[in-house]
Amino acid sequence: GDSVTQMEGPVTLSEEAFLTINCTYTATGYPSLFWYVQYPGEGLQLLLKATKADDKGSNKGFEATYRKETTSFHLEKGSVQVSDSAVYFCALSEIATNAGKSTFGDGTTLTVKP
Amino acid sequence: SAVISQKPSRDICQRGTSLTIQCQVDSQVTMMFWYRQQPGQSLTLIATANQGSEATYESGFVIDKFPISRPNLTFSTLTVSNMSPEDSSIYLCSVQPGYGDTQYFGPGTRLTVL
Repeated sequence: GDSVTQMEGPVTLSEEAFLTINCTYTATGYPSLFWYVQYPGEGLQLLLKATKADDKGSNKGFEATYRKETTSFHLEKGSVQVSDSAVYFCALSEIATNAGKSTFGDGTTLTVKP
Repeated sequence: SAVISQKPSRDICQRGTSLTIQCQVDSQVTMMFWYRQQPGQSLTLIATANQGSEATYESGFVIDKFPISRPNLTFSTLTVSNMSPEDSSIYLCSVQPGYGDTQYFGPGTRLTVL
């Protein structure tokens, strides 16, 4: 079945550092890929997504590129801020399997220190 | 997109009692889900709430413990029955407009069982 593997956390960075959170997936077809973010005390919200190979999703300075050859969707940001401290979830959703439901990774907690 | 509200936002309950959580969506959506998220941990899907029929439960979750209603396409309830401290968690409602689409989450209900 479908699965998503994220790099283990927690991740602690200083402000303005470069961020990478790795995400790899297994899927039987051609999934859409997502990054969701959960700020403290809130539900998850979409950060960015990509729907086909080589697409780049971007939002709020974050980027991720859909790499079919490596089945990866790594999240990057060039310069993190304290306000980026949150839990980040990689996810996929595939039309043809799992009744179209999304599959989530375990989440990576990011803490950015001033 | 979809905007989701949940009630209550938090509650503290006694062992052996039950709590019903409400989820209201601002648009009609077929796919609706209930998740549990324990502090610092990943999401665990409890069930898919089906309009007009019984919910579809994931492995490890049963209707007697987590009865779900879905009377229409904009509303659902999840009841946590005969609670124990192990049920202390955040319960999240979410919707997905279609297969392969973004999921939209409610703000969550933080439950503490004493």
